Amino acid sequence: QKEVEQNSGPLSVPEGAIASLNCTYSDRVSQSFFWYRQYSGKSPELIMSIYSNGDKEDGRFTAQLNKASQYVSLLIRDSQPSDSATYLCAVGNAGAGNNRKLIWGLGTSLAVNP
Amino acid sequence: EAQVTQNPRYLITVTGKKLTVTCSQNMNHEYMSWYRQDPGLGLRQIYYSMNVEVTDKGDVPEGYKVSRKEKRNFPLILESPSPNQTSLYFCASSHDSNQPQHFGDGTRLSIL
Repeated sequence: QKEVEQNSGPLSVPEGAIASLNCTYSDRVSQSFFWYRQYSGKSPELIMSIYSNGDKEDGRFTAQLNKASQYVSLLIRDSQPSDSATYLCAVGNAGAGNNRKLIWGLGTSLAVNP
Repeated sequence: EAQVTQNPRYLITVTGKKLTVTCSQNMNHEYMSWYRQDPGLGLRQIYYSMNVEVTDKGDVPEGYKVSRKEKRNFPLILESPSPNQTSLYFCASSHDSNQPQHFGDGTRLSIL
């Protein structure tokens, strides 16, 4: 059973701090990695995609991928109260046909305190 | 504007009364999927479709049906809804099954 694991939290950080969210996955041949933000009662919104080892930066967000250790992380710099949400990690495998799919983590709840 | 549109957004109904939740996307995506989301259980895939006339079961397909007669539409059908199908439902689409998915706004179903 391919799995994606996240700490459920809640992760609480003060406004202006760096929030660090982590995700580990079990399928060694996974090829695509995504972070989604979901506000309560709303739909998931894609915030970062990463496909190769290393860091990818987009504004205040940085995704970090380490395929050897099978983890992907999301850093949020200068955290704002509006960043308070649940962050979902999704991992795409490299299977064929019906085995190609996104595997979703359960999400980490982030609270940014003013 | 690129979007996935679900209807209705909210529905309260009774056990056994057939209902359909519609989903339409305007991005010419091949892959479409239905999820349900329940507290503590995350997103669970109900059914998915790789292309027109190609559908398959996800992780929790019992009690649901789907069809994909046109590329843009992927309705979810509950033939005989039961209270355990009370949930928040999302339709999503993407070019490929392991690529980033675009989500609709969600449908909150309550089955009494």
